[in-house]
Amino acid sequence: EIVLTQSPATLSLSPGERATLSCRASQSVSSFLAWFQQKPGQAPRLLIYDASNRATGIPARFSGSRSGTDFTLTISSLEPEDFAVYFCQQRSNWPYTFGQGTKLEIK
Amino acid sequence: QVQLVQSGGGLVKPGGSLRLSCAASGFMFSDYYMSWIRQAPGKGLEWVSHITTSGRTIYYADSVKGRFTISRDNAKNSLYLQMNSLRAEDTAVYYCAREDDSSGYFDYWGQGTLVTVSS
Repeated sequence: EIVLTQSPATLSLSPGERATLSCRASQSVSSFLAWFQQKPGQAPRLLIYDASNRATGIPARFSGSRSGTDFTLTISSLEPEDFAVYFCQQRSNWPYTFGQGTKLEIK
Repeated sequence: QVQLVQSGGGLVKPGGSLRLSCAASGFMFSDYYMSWIRQAPGKGLEWVSHITTSGRTIYYADSVKGRFTISRDNAKNSLYLQMNSLRAEDTAVYYCAREDDSSGYFDYWGQGTLVTVSS
């Protein structure tokens, strides 16, 4: 099973700042990695797929990148609605697995 | 618009059974792979099971294999998860999710239904 390790567990930033979230895979997942945003009481929302492609309707301030088995989600300038929990997920191998999440909180 | 409406959660005793349903609308259900994903209270996400369009190929997480059964009825635009021999560690919010037909990722999710296994 592929393990995805996200860091940091919690990130405290202010609106307007840049957020950088990391996800490391225990083995190669190629670019088969997605990022999701989840707000309290809601289902996750797909933000990025195949490491760097924005899903339909996702603002341009969200971007994703890959370097080997390291993946990064960047939010260029935080809006108040961006404070949430973010998960990465791989679909390279069964079972599909998720990272443990990064909570992005208001500083 | 795409909608996945879930039903069937609730409180069940250890060893009991429960069936979850997911009613799809706003898209051609029979053309899409589907999955169940769960989230224990305050925890992360765990993929549970996957089914292809015809139902011929099915995968399960090891944690539920032999106890849970995924199925679908394309004529009724519905996905199901039959859960037997439930354990306390199965307590979670269960989501059904559509797998996008080009990217393969979970692009639409149901609202979630809470399953609580407790005596």
